[in-house]
Amino acid sequence: DAKTTQPPSMDCAEGRAANLPCNHSTISGNEYVYWYRQIHSQGPQYIIHGLKNNETNEMASLIITEDRKSSTLILPHATLRDTAVYYCIVRRPTYNQGGKLIFGQGTELSVKP
Amino acid sequence: GAVVSQHPSWVICKSGTSVKIECRSLDFQATTMFWYRQFPKQSLMLMATSNEGSKATYEQGVEKDKFLINHASLTLSTLTVTSAHPEDSSFYICSAGDPRSSYNEQFFGPGTRLTVL
Repeated sequence: DAKTTQPPSMDCAEGRAANLPCNHSTISGNEYVYWYRQIHSQGPQYIIHGLKNNETNEMASLIITEDRKSSTLILPHATLRDTAVYYCIVRRPTYNQGGKLIFGQGTELSVKP
Repeated sequence: GAVVSQHPSWVICKSGTSVKIECRSLDFQATTMFWYRQFPKQSLMLMATSNEGSKATYEQGVEKDKFLINHASLTLSTLTVTSAHPEDSSFYICSAGDPRSSYNEQFFGPGTRLTVL
């Protein structure tokens, strides 16, 4: 699976949009981009994933560049509860109940009042 | 979404003893579960893949005789840390994929914090 690069930390003001970048320049054609987050001392939580089209759900939006070498996770109106470490993971699809995830260092997002 | 639980949520034990951690998929069956370990201020590190009815697959550098994994049913995987030492103190997290989900995502348990004295 392709490696990813994320900034180690970011700050965001409460109520503003949080834009978390991820670089995955070695991504291959059949690899998806997944985002998870981990609130302190909890298990990670799935946020969103995509292949090449932009995706949106109730939690966030995912913007993937046309060449698929980078992506941005957008939390449209960040709240204090969004303070967490955000992980961008690139992986091939699996068809046996998901698959193992290789976590990088992630981005520690601090939402400030 | 699917629910994965872990028990206990935290445990303190003496050096040299063994500790068992349970991971359960509460509302779905999981033929495969994954065990991760996380040290303070670090990312999650995959330890092993737990396969129902067969041997676990361990990642490079993880001692299979120290971290015993048993996946005896479709809803339960256990991780036993044998002869625990202070350096085994860590946050242990399991995950599983829900076959009903088309997103191929993993659902994680809340984690178990192990402290070895």
